[in-house]
Amino acid sequence: EAGVTQFPSHSVIEKGQTVTLRCDPISGHDNLYWYRRVMGKEIKFLLHFVKESKQDESGMPNNRFLAERTGGTYSTLKVQPAELEDSGVYFCASSHLSGLNYGYTFGSGTRLTVV
Amino acid sequence: GQQVMQIPQYQHVQEGEDFTTYCNSSTTLSNIQWYKQRPGGHPVFLIQLVKSGEVKKQKRLTFQFGEAKKNSSLHITATQTTDVGTYFCAVATYNAGNNRKLIWGLGTSLAVNP
Repeated sequence: EAGVTQFPSHSVIEKGQTVTLRCDPISGHDNLYWYRRVMGKEIKFLLHFVKESKQDESGMPNNRFLAERTGGTYSTLKVQPAELEDSGVYFCASSHLSGLNYGYTFGSGTRLTVV
Repeated sequence: GQQVMQIPQYQHVQEGEDFTTYCNSSTTLSNIQWYKQRPGGHPVFLIQLVKSGEVKKQKRLTFQFGEAKKNSSLHITATQTTDVGTYFCAVATYNAGNNRKLIWGLGTSLAVNP
């Protein structure tokens, strides 16, 4: 089966611009997660979709970040306007089940650099 | 909120030497997961431990969960250059809304000299 796909793999944008990241989960996986790793820091949870519904967006840094998952398939994460501190690697993960006792499958990530 | 402390942050070994990374928490953990991220790659799930005192092995990798379920370790015997990468521990937890998320350690970056 195809894995979790993310694109672009890299994005360099200027402060104030808009960037949209995309994640295609494994087919049939209802649960989709976004995580971010800022250099030198822990990987941090951003939000969790179940199908098209946002189950938990407690990790979203601020209202410059908007995530959507129309139709319960792929998801987008838009940053508008981007700030320097938004730089980092954005990972998407998907899973079929929602229990605690299994691991995630991660995408390769999008490395965002805001200059 | 819950935190997981992971040490060391970096480790440099000669090929053939052993390597260990540790994760500690001040609170009892319901589970702990381990991931490996190769340079330029993404986290790949290795294993999950849920039972007190649990020990699991994957070839040269040994994973342990402490008796008090407050710490865990990953030990690699006789490292190889293919072991290079960052090893993360993470705890799967439910938040107040009963939604699952992972709390991550900072990771240990392993470099292996051939």
